[in-house]
Amino acid sequence: EAGVAQSPRYKIIEKRQSVAFWCNPISGHATLYWYQQILGQGPKLLIQFQNNGVVDDSQLPKDRFSAERLKGVDSTLKIQPAKLEDSAVYLCASSLVWRRTSYEQYFGPGTRLTVT
Amino acid sequence: KQEVTQIPAALSVPEGENLVLNCSFTDSAIYNLQWFRQDPGKGLTSLLLIQSSQREQTSGRLNASLDKSSGRSTLYIAASQPGDSATYLCAVQKGIYNQGGKLIFGQGTELSVKP
Repeated sequence: EAGVAQSPRYKIIEKRQSVAFWCNPISGHATLYWYQQILGQGPKLLIQFQNNGVVDDSQLPKDRFSAERLKGVDSTLKIQPAKLEDSAVYLCASSLVWRRTSYEQYFGPGTRLTVT
Repeated sequence: KQEVTQIPAALSVPEGENLVLNCSFTDSAIYNLQWFRQDPGKGLTSLLLIQSSQREQTSGRLNASLDKSSGRSTLYIAASQPGDSATYLCAVQKGIYNQGGKLIFGQGTELSVKP
């Protein structure tokens, strides 16, 4: 079974530039998450999708971050414009949720963003 | 607000030693708890998931316990090996539909096993 795919793996940009990350979840997983992990900290949820719909984006800085999940499969996360404090690893995860049962979240390799 | 704390932040042990990593959480109303491993520059690998109705889970040399009432979980690693060197993260999930199913993570314990 293929895992969660993310690209690019690394990205270096200057502040005020734009950047986009892509995620392809495990086939059949309806739930998709984007987490931000700053160096030395645990991941923090940015946004969660259930199929096409947003379930939780309460910690997404909406003035500069946006995300979409077209057709309930792939997702993109965009930052525009980037700030120095956005330097982090951006992790995508997916899980299979059926009725009221939650399953494990499977994580991709992440995209390491450096803003200079 | 749920907070997750892991102690110690870093741990260095000689090969072959048994060790315990600790995780505590402030809100006992959780749905499940997961332990993850993260190698440098890599994503997270799920090690064990404990449902709220369970008290422990085992996989190979790993054993995780959960005590909801006290807000604690431990990860026990038996006969540690240099290949176990990584950062270990615990995360709690409060619910699915009412909380969105997000994981709330601790800051991790960085483990180094010396040959």
